[in-house]
Order: sequence, then C-alpha cells, then structure tokens
Amino acid sequence: DQQVKQNSPSLSVQEGRISILNCDYTNSMFDYFLWYKKYPAEGPTFLISISSIKDKNEDGRFTVFLNKSAKHLSLHIVPSQPGDSAVYFCAARDSGTASKLTFGTGTRLQVTL
Amino acid sequence: NAGVTQTPKFRVLKTGQSMTLLCAQDMNHEYMYWYRQDPGMGLRLIHYSVGEGTTAKGEVPDGYNVSRLKKQNFLLGLESAAPSQTSVYFCASSYSPDTQYFGPGTRLTVL
Repeated sequence: DQQVKQNSPSLSVQEGRISILNCDYTNSMFDYFLWYKKYPAEGPTFLISISSIKDKNEDGRFTVFLNKSAKHLSLHIVPSQPGDSAVYFCAARDSGTASKLTFGTGTRLQVTL
Repeated sequence: NAGVTQTPKFRVLKTGQSMTLLCAQDMNHEYMYWYRQDPGMGLRLIHYSVGEGTTAKGEVPDGYNVSRLKKQNFLLGLESAAPSQTSVYFCASSYSPDTQYFGPGTRLTVL
C-alpha cells in the first residue's frame, strides 16, 4: 500500500516557466513533509519541508504548498532552470512512528532550453 | 567533514554470496537508515537505527541484517544474495527523523 504517491513519473518544462510537482498521501497521521532532489549517481539531497500546521513554505525559487483536507502537497519551482533537472521525491513523517520517513516513487523533471 | 560515506561504490555478487555494506557518518547523528532504490519503486526503507546499539525493521527487511555497534557506523549485511537484491543502496543519517542526509549510494548487482 503506497502511502505517499507521486502519480507523474516525469515532467518536462521550459526554462523560465513554472514547474509544479505533485504528491498525494493517504495516512492522516503524517505531520511533516519534505521534498528531496536527486541527481544521477548521487544520493538524494534535502530541498524544502513543511509542517502540517502550515499551508505554505517558501525558500527562494522553491515553494511547497500543503492542502491537508485533500491530503495533497505540491512543489513549485519558479523560474525553472536547467540545473533543476533531476528526480524529485516527496517524503512524509508519521507522527505515530516518528523515527522514519515514507518516500514517494519520484518525479523526473526535465527543464528544457 | 565528509558527511555520509558508503563503501563500496559498486559490487557484483553471485547468487548465494554474502557481503557487508558499510555506512559511516561524521556528523554525530543519532539516526541512521538503509534504503534501496529500484526503478518505479522510489526509496524503500530496509532497516534503521535510532541510536548506537539499536536497530529496527523497515518496509523491506527480509534478506538483510544490520548492526550499529558504533554511533558513526551502520552496517548492512546480505547473508545469501539473490538476484532480487540487485539495486542501488543508500544510507542516510539525521539528527532528528526529519532532514536526512544521504550517502552517494552503492550499486549492487547479483548474478
């Protein structure tokens, strides 16, 4: 049972435009959400996070939105740059078993010139 | 400050062979994790540790064992490798369960 779902395996966006990556979850006990970025042949790196008590968190070109009623979060990248081309993983922490994260399957973003 | 390092980077095993993957972190983190990444499956947690001397099962623990004898090291063992264990393995560590820092990965092929 996939508790964190990224239904779009890939996304292509032109440089300068907005990239929107989506993530849905089913576990209502999730209280903290993170986005990780992964380049080929490297480990994932932390990008941005949001607590369930907030609905938006912004860091430079990256903004994460959380809609708890819909159990949905999204990552907006504005403006998109070629260096943003990577796989993006959504992750969530369960407040009941707080020692670990559950990851989605990832979305491959390609930013074209 | 090397962060999280993994040894080896690549390995090819024959079915039935055993091996140990080593993860080391120099950030004094309490939490350490082993994941595997397979196409279309994302990152799946194998085992994790919340402190020296402790280990716990994750989502896909079968066929693997772990040990955390020292705070800075987390070992992942395969006692009898199977082709289904062909994967990329990532180790991570964190001060809290939130922001995890990942190593560069170990690509394992089991023939």
